Amino acid sequence: GAGVSQSPSNKVTEKGKDVELRCDPISGHTALYWYRQSLGQGLEFLIYFQGNSAPDKSGLPSDRFSAERTGGSVSTLTIQRTQQEDSAVYLCASSLDRGLAGGFSYEQYFGPGTRLTVT
Amino acid sequence: DAKTTQPPSMDCAEGRAANLPCNHSTISGNEYVYWYRQIHSQGPQYIIHGLKNNETNEMASLIITEDRKSSTLILPHATLRDTAVYYCIVRVVNDYKLSFGAGTTVTVRA
Repeated sequence: GAGVSQSPSNKVTEKGKDVELRCDPISGHTALYWYRQSLGQGLEFLIYFQGNSAPDKSGLPSDRFSAERTGGSVSTLTIQRTQQEDSAVYLCASSLDRGLAGGFSYEQYFGPGTRLTVT
Repeated sequence: DAKTTQPPSMDCAEGRAANLPCNHSTISGNEYVYWYRQIHSQGPQYIIHGLKNNETNEMASLIITEDRKSSTLILPHATLRDTAVYYCIVRVVNDYKLSFGAGTTVTVRA
């Protein structure tokens, strides 16, 4: 079946502009995760959704970052007033996990990522 | 979470077994060893995980030492498509926040 898809695959923006990154998870996956990967920083957790709610936003680096999820499916990560240090690959993953009550025993399936370059 | 140590790079001949080592000397009793890989321009991909017994699936085998302080990922017959960065991490099962270090860059050569 279809995997996790992300769009756009590449985004170049000027410093100070807002950007929106989209993630389409695997159908039926209630858990959705956003990560950031930059050179020298490895993989960095940003936010976790269970359905449409985000019980863990602890990884968002500043209040310029926000995310939402609608219909328990598509998620959008928004970065306002982009800075050069926001340049990275933004990865989305989804899984069948049901949250803290059900435990996290299912694997996360990643999308190909969006490469964001802020000039 | 315990940290892991992996060699930065290794080469492997196509068709041969690739043995990727990982040290995790401070692993806790409730932490599992997980392996992921990331092919260029793709997202990370889960390979295998284990607690203390050796594990095998269609992709690879995982050998964990008896003291659990190190492990080896074995790709039995490496192909060119196995060229990727391989990440070894240790985590408790309920920790959904994946975090990778530098990993091992594996290059499979024809």
